[in-house]
This record gives sequence, structure tokens and C-alpha cells, in this order.
Amino acid sequence: DTGVSQDPRHKITKRGQNVTFRCDPISEHNRLYWYRQTLGQGPEFLTYFQNEAQLEKSRLLSDRFSAERPKGSFSTLEIQRTEQGDSAMYLCASSSFSLDTQYFGPGTRLTVL
Amino acid sequence: GQQLNQSPQSMFIQEGEDVSMNCTSSSIFNTWLWYKQDPGEGPVLLIALYKAGELTSNGRLTAQFGITRKDSFLNISASIPSDVGIYFCAGQLKSAGNNRKLIWGLGTSLAVNP
Repeated sequence: DTGVSQDPRHKITKRGQNVTFRCDPISEHNRLYWYRQTLGQGPEFLTYFQNEAQLEKSRLLSDRFSAERPKGSFSTLEIQRTEQGDSAMYLCASSSFSLDTQYFGPGTRLTVL
Repeated sequence: GQQLNQSPQSMFIQEGEDVSMNCTSSSIFNTWLWYKQDPGEGPVLLIALYKAGELTSNGRLTAQFGITRKDSFLNISASIPSDVGIYFCAGQLKSAGNNRKLIWGLGTSLAVNP
């Protein structure tokens, strides 16, 4: 399978704990996106990388959220001091520079107790 | 945040019927995308549209990019039970620079009665 993969698929944590999610994009894609989705809503943009450079961040991305893509391949999204309001599906997508059509991974479902 | 106007919000149809849903925006888009999402999964790309007026088919699915660049529709013909799910439209703004994010509708929930 050469699609976008995300790990873990599910994460349950207690409020105040830190969590980290990983995304592996489609191998030839140099753009990578993180979105957050809550029930009944479409995905909300969080941040976007072109290669290793983080080019855009949403105002939704508070200082408790940080994303990295150190070698321009996989990316991690870390949430520090989780709050119950962080409970959501976190989606990763990737695209190529030429076509920029975003393909999504299966998501990581975060539940903060 | 900015959202697209997607309608209808939900549909309940009989197997074999045709389905139509659409999205409108006050902004001009340079790309329209249609995705299907099953519960607990990520959105799966159905059709991508890149030019105003473009009409594209993918099996029983047909989508069009409106000539004003502010709307798109998706049709599903001869629906089957596995068409059940939530359908999202998404648009990419026509703008320069680093803005690559997608703007999303709220989804159309489709139920198909066998």
C-alpha cells in the first residue's frame, strides 16, 4: 500500500499528558498537511509543509501544538498538556508540487479524558 | 473559519436512484475536490476538478466545476448500498503565495435503502 499512513489510529490519554502522532506521506509527495476534524464538521486546516519547511500555520494551532518534518519525509504532530477540547480526528494529507491534489490518511482519533 | 455552502445536508434514497449534491462559495477557487468519508476513516478522493467548466466522471460519479469558479456539483447515478457515507466538497482558493489549504463544506450524509 503506497497511500498516506498515520500512526497510531487511536489514542486515549488523560488531560495534561503529551501526545505525538506520526504521518508518512505518499513517497513522491513533497507537500504535507495536518487537519483536525470534529464530529459533524469538515476538516479544519492546521499546518502545511513543503519539504521540510513549515509554510503556513492556522491560528487554530495554539502554542501547545507543534509539527515537524525534519527530513522532508514523515511528519510528527505533538500536542502538549492535552485538554478535553483537543479530542478530535487528526488527519494528514500529502500532495505533489505539480498537481497539489491532497490525498488523506486514515486519521488518528484522539480522546482526552 | 471559512466554509463552503454544501447542500443538501442529508439524503435518504432508495437503491437505484440518482443523487445530486452541490457546493457554492463567495470566493473563487482554482480547484474543486469531492471526497467520501466513512465513519472513523479519512476522506477518500473521488474526483478532482482543475478548470472552470470541467466535467469529469469516475464510474457512476460525475462532477462539474462551475464556470464562475464559485460552485461545483456531484452526481451519483444508480446508487448502491456501498454509496452510504458522508460526501464533502473542498475548494482550494485562487491565490498566490503559500496558501494551499482546502476550504471544506459541512458534508452531505447519504443513506441508501436497499
